[in-house]
Amino acid sequence: AQSVTQLDSQVPVFEEAPVELRCNYSSSVSVYLFWYVQYPNQGLQLLLKYLSGSTLVKGINGFEAEFNKSQTSFHLRKPSVHISDTAEYFCAVMGGGNMLTFGGGTRLMVKP
Amino acid sequence: EAEVAQSPRYKITEKSQAVAFWCDPISGHATLYWYRQILGQGPELLVQFQDESVVDDSQLPKDRFSAERLKGVDSTLKIQPAELGDSAMYLCASSLIWTSGIGEQFFGPGTRLTVL
Repeated sequence: AQSVTQLDSQVPVFEEAPVELRCNYSSSVSVYLFWYVQYPNQGLQLLLKYLSGSTLVKGINGFEAEFNKSQTSFHLRKPSVHISDTAEYFCAVMGGGNMLTFGGGTRLMVKP
Repeated sequence: EAEVAQSPRYKITEKSQAVAFWCDPISGHATLYWYRQILGQGPELLVQFQDESVVDDSQLPKDRFSAERLKGVDSTLKIQPAELGDSAMYLCASSLIWTSGIGEQFFGPGTRLTVL
């Protein structure tokens, strides 16, 4: 079985500051990890994914994440955020049958 | 760019009424998913189709929810009768499955259901 814990429900940050959104997972099978972004009243858009290979994964909009097997973490980072990054961010782990299990989400609030 | 289509985008209904949501996946995507997302939470899988067959519906409340994908293309999710606790965003996603057994899921814009 898989599970995902997003440790922060809300993260306020000032514009142009760096940000880290934390994600811890548990999985009994091979680990495939994803970060999605959701803007108000919209569907989910894939930011980045880890399937194998380099543990540092780069995604869209300047985001990156690092897979840490020993700490079972997949934290999302951005060195300088913009107002437009204000959204809900979801970490997810893929298990058997291509099924995604999502965390509870982290609301990123970028302040001017 | 191909997208997953969903309709309606918003639906308001009274409890005990029937509602239906429609999803048209990206052309060629054999796998289709319906998720329910309660406000402030992550999406939870309700049902997964491979072509026209149900792969997993273990989290689908079968006493009131039904889903079908008759020709293996578009899909309909129905709730009858709707209850207050069904108020949520209903998301549809589709994917190609790679030879590795996994595949990226593409999400539609969702249908926001409000039950009064």
